[in-house]
Amino acid sequence: DVKVTQSSRYLVKRTGEKVFLECVQDMDHENMFWYRQDPGLGLRLIYFSYDVKMKEKGDIPEGYSVSREKKERFSLILESASTNQTSMYLCASTSGSSDYNEQFFGPGTRLTVL
Amino acid sequence: GQNIDQPTEMTATEGAIVQINCTYQTSGFNGLFWYQQHAGEAPTFLSYNVLDGLEEKGRFSSFLSRSKGYSYLLLKELQMKDSASYLCAAMDSNYQLIWGAGTKLIIKP
Repeated sequence: DVKVTQSSRYLVKRTGEKVFLECVQDMDHENMFWYRQDPGLGLRLIYFSYDVKMKEKGDIPEGYSVSREKKERFSLILESASTNQTSMYLCASTSGSSDYNEQFFGPGTRLTVL
Repeated sequence: GQNIDQPTEMTATEGAIVQINCTYQTSGFNGLFWYQQHAGEAPTFLSYNVLDGLEEKGRFSSFLSRSKGYSYLLLKELQMKDSASYLCAAMDSNYQLIWGAGTKLIIKP
């Protein structure tokens, strides 16, 4: 059974804190993604990675960075958390070899920044 | 710009049929996805269409018209467990997914 896991389901942080969100997949997928999901908006892509040590900016990268040191792990970093980063964060992965890129999602991390 | 439109909310009765529409505008097109997302859970894949026509998968079917930039998801014999949000996403020329805001489907007994 394929699996994408995220380090926390719920997280509460204070403004200015550095926040790490971890994502691990066990499907040997090449591609990994970080999205945020807010009410009334579609999923918005923050960063993605097609390979180890490789990263690409998505639509809303400001205030975030990422790290992909190992194929199975993709971390999202909020360097200095702000209240407008309160959101649901979803990690996804997909195989680079598939004809279409069905994305497998983790359960999400609901982050609240106070 | 790139855009996906789908209704915010729909209500249907258990046992009935419901059609959720989605229109899209993207730079290039490499397919249309539908995902289901129950409250508080991750989205899960339902269907993928890249050619015009209807794809049937059990109680769920998905239709695509590339010329009209239009898709729909058809759910038959509705069950209470079908209460969820349904996300439409179009893949652009860069193979990136452009997501709609989702349609919240409420099933009433």
